[in-house]
Amino acid sequence: DAGVTQSPTHLIKTRGQQVTLRCSPKSGHDTVSWYQQALGQGPQFIFQYYEEEERQRGNFPDRFSGHQFPNYSSELNVNALLLGDSALYLCASSLGSGEQFFGPGTRLTVL
Amino acid sequence: AQSVTQPDIHITVSEGASLELRCNYSYGATPYLFWYVQSPGQGLQLLLKYFSGDTLVQGIKGFEAEFKRSQSSFNLRKPSVHWSDAAEYFCAVGENNDMRFGAGTRLTVKP
Repeated sequence: DAGVTQSPTHLIKTRGQQVTLRCSPKSGHDTVSWYQQALGQGPQFIFQYYEEEERQRGNFPDRFSGHQFPNYSSELNVNALLLGDSALYLCASSLGSGEQFFGPGTRLTVL
Repeated sequence: AQSVTQPDIHITVSEGASLELRCNYSYGATPYLFWYVQSPGQGLQLLLKYFSGDTLVQGIKGFEAEFKRSQSSFNLRKPSVHWSDAAEYFCAVGENNDMRFGAGTRLTVKP
């Protein structure tokens, strides 16, 4: 049983560009949450998707958007990248409000 | 607003010694509390959680934590640390659609 998978593992972008990160949830899970973890910090909640809709959102600007597909996989999109967007982006999946399982993350570097 | 404070950025203990990692939280209602561990290049793994009931919670890998409402604390303990416990530890509060993490405590284990 595969756990949560994320792609790509690493990504380098320049300021102003756009990026898309992908997440496949653990088998049987229907809810996906995204977190940003800056260097030396704990993860910060970006948003959560359930039934293909954004259910909850943290304190992040509209440049951060997402999508959930019918197979429950999810994408995180970030537009107009800033240097401060450099971070590890973690995806977590759960069955409804149950325990979250985290993926290994995507390391985004913005130059 | 809910928040988590982990007062210790970095702790070093000798292998075989006992360990206590501190966590203080701020939350308006009865909190859901969690401890996660993150090894380099890995996602977060849940060690234990507290929702209600017995205030002493047992987790995986020999870890336990005690919820103390009067002190707003949820400290993580292990009686005898192994070299493989070296990692970053995060305390978190909230529900999975709005989870707040502390900044983490990095544990180094001396041989």
